[in-house]
Amino acid sequence: DSGVTQTPKHLITATGQRVTLRCSPRSGDLSVYWYQQSLDQGLQFLIQYYNGEERAKGNILERFSAQQFPDLHSELNLSSLELGDSALYFCASSASDRVWSEQYFGPGTRLTVT
Amino acid sequence: GNSVTQMEGPVTLSEEAFLTINCTYTATGYPSLFWYVQYPGEGLQLLLKATKADDKGSNKGFEATYRKETTSFHLEKGSVQVSDSAVYFCALSDREGGNNDMRFGAGTRLTVKP
Repeated sequence: DSGVTQTPKHLITATGQRVTLRCSPRSGDLSVYWYQQSLDQGLQFLIQYYNGEERAKGNILERFSAQQFPDLHSELNLSSLELGDSALYFCASSASDRVWSEQYFGPGTRLTVT
Repeated sequence: GNSVTQMEGPVTLSEEAFLTINCTYTATGYPSLFWYVQYPGEGLQLLLKATKADDKGSNKGFEATYRKETTSFHLEKGSVQVSDSAVYFCALSDREGGNNDMRFGAGTRLTVKP
């Protein structure tokens, strides 16, 4: 158990809808990272937040947004969903703001868009 | 841009066989290199890392050496066990290249048979 929790575990929704994925980092970690894992794109870094502020951005679509709250939990919002957004979404956390510091991954949220 | 290329799987070995999973990288700066492992139904776990040339990362019998001259970070284990069956990801984070993100390879699925 990494100490990172993600909810929900599974999510099934229709095209055009909007969903919110939630992540709670390990106790004491200030950084939260979001990743998308799909069969065709592999594992891709989406975005990083550190202590409430956006710190780094990867291949995140404009339809997607994230935020980190004062209690350090983070939410990833996915809107105008398309079939291609079906994937495993992982959250990770680390103590440092540096991406090269050790990251602890949650179990993931599996999103299925029908 | 930065990228990681790792050998395609799947790889199937018998217990106690020698394992090598090749990983090469392209980076504009001086990256840190990582191997992550993903067991079935779980998130990624950091297996080992190296932050400078000629560093050797090691953990649980796995080793990888940061080779700047060949831009490689091959994963090796002398004697695999059934419990090593998982997907292995090579990754890099480039501290100086201006890209504050983590790039992953496509993953190599390893199956160890008793």
